[in-house]
Amino acid sequence: AQTVTQSQPEMSVQEAETVTLSCTYDTSESNYYLFWYKQPPSRQMILVIRQEAYKQQNATENRFSVNFQKAAKSFSLKISDSQLGDTAMYFCAYAGGTSYGKLTFGQGTILTVHP
Amino acid sequence: GAVVSQHPSRVICKSGTSVKIECRSLDFQATTMFWYRQFPKQSLMLMATSNEGSKATYEQGVEKDKFLINHASLTLSTLTVTSAHPEDSSFYICSASGFIGTSQPEQFFGPGTRLTVL
Repeated sequence: AQTVTQSQPEMSVQEAETVTLSCTYDTSESNYYLFWYKQPPSRQMILVIRQEAYKQQNATENRFSVNFQKAAKSFSLKISDSQLGDTAMYFCAYAGGTSYGKLTFGQGTILTVHP
Repeated sequence: GAVVSQHPSRVICKSGTSVKIECRSLDFQATTMFWYRQFPKQSLMLMATSNEGSKATYEQGVEKDKFLINHASLTLSTLTVTSAHPEDSSFYICSASGFIGTSQPEQFFGPGTRLTVL
């Protein structure tokens, strides 16, 4: 079975600085997708970024980028120029290529951005 | 992006009663919907996967007679918590999977329902 591990229960960062959230996963599948979701205090799940395993290039979305290390099964999220609105719980998630939508979530990391 | 709604957003009920939560995909057809349960400061726990017109697939440890799921159309899935007890109090989130101009399905989340059983 696939597992996703986030080893940082809580992180904090100063506004305008950069922070990296860690995620490792375990799978025997060759085709899969990885995601980072943000859950702010409103508890609405928001997709931050998505990476397709067969793509070597790391995905980027504005201030958010990932470091995808397929061999190491590592998928970290870097947030640049942190903003107060980035304060949220962040979840790393995995979807197998044949599972079509079924997500396996990590434990989550609570990120607090301080002014 | 695609929108998924949940109703109600908050419900308080007495122990022993049943509660129904609706999940709707507003602007796309969702062949698959998922139901999650989340405790405070914890991750989402998948309860079941529902496909339109067929029986839901429940995750191990989830009581199918307790949590009834119906997926009657491509835009509506319902979760009924039967004979609710205080331990069923939680935040329930649904998501809908669909192809929105992409080659692989994306999962879109509803805003969640907070259930409190007295």
